Amino acid sequence: GAVVSQHPSRVICKSGTSVKIECRSLDFQATTMFWYRQFPKQSLMLMATSNEGSKATYEQGVEKDKFLINHASLTLSTLTVTSAHPEDSSFYICSAHLAGTPRDTQYFGPGTRLTVL
Amino acid sequence: GDSVTQMEGPVTLSEEAFLTINCTYTATGYPSLFWYVQYPGEGLQLLLKATKADDKGSNKGFEATYRKETTSFHLEKGSVQVSDSAVYFCAFSTQGGSEKLVFGKGTKLTVNP
Repeated sequence: GAVVSQHPSRVICKSGTSVKIECRSLDFQATTMFWYRQFPKQSLMLMATSNEGSKATYEQGVEKDKFLINHASLTLSTLTVTSAHPEDSSFYICSAHLAGTPRDTQYFGPGTRLTVL
Repeated sequence: GDSVTQMEGPVTLSEEAFLTINCTYTATGYPSLFWYVQYPGEGLQLLLKATKADDKGSNKGFEATYRKETTSFHLEKGSVQVSDSAVYFCAFSTQGGSEKLVFGKGTKLTVNP
């Protein structure tokens, strides 16, 4: 149980285009989902926290207009990288919190590798 | 600021060898501490956790003890298997209501038969 999927697993796009990444909780409802970014040989860095039906809370230094997050349902959150540039190339990972479990319990997706040419 | 420092990899061991991956943290208050594991092609999975000083988390033969005096949470296993090959992440949850996770950079472990 508590499986989280991400789609796509890999995406390559041209500079200036927008890319949407989906995060789904497959067998549970997630009131809260998290988006992380991981650069090579670096830690996972929290980008934003999204709660179903409300606006995402972004971490300091993360541009909310560039990284659009939508958490439209209890099983789906999307991250859209708008006007992507090569410096946005990274590994993006989502996680979901299962309601009723401790607040620091998160289930992680397998990640999406974004390469911007 | 909040941070986690963990042993840099990669680490390569032979099957049945003893494993230690060091982890120290900088945080305010009394965070909960975690080890996550990521197998190839999969998402991070919680391996073990400890929520207060001197607690020992354990799972699948892995252990880690919450040492507040040294702000450490070192991961150990007495006899590793090939199936333990993965990337291991040390992390803690911040306090103050948000329970955000702060991660180390990860340590890649390869166990050879």
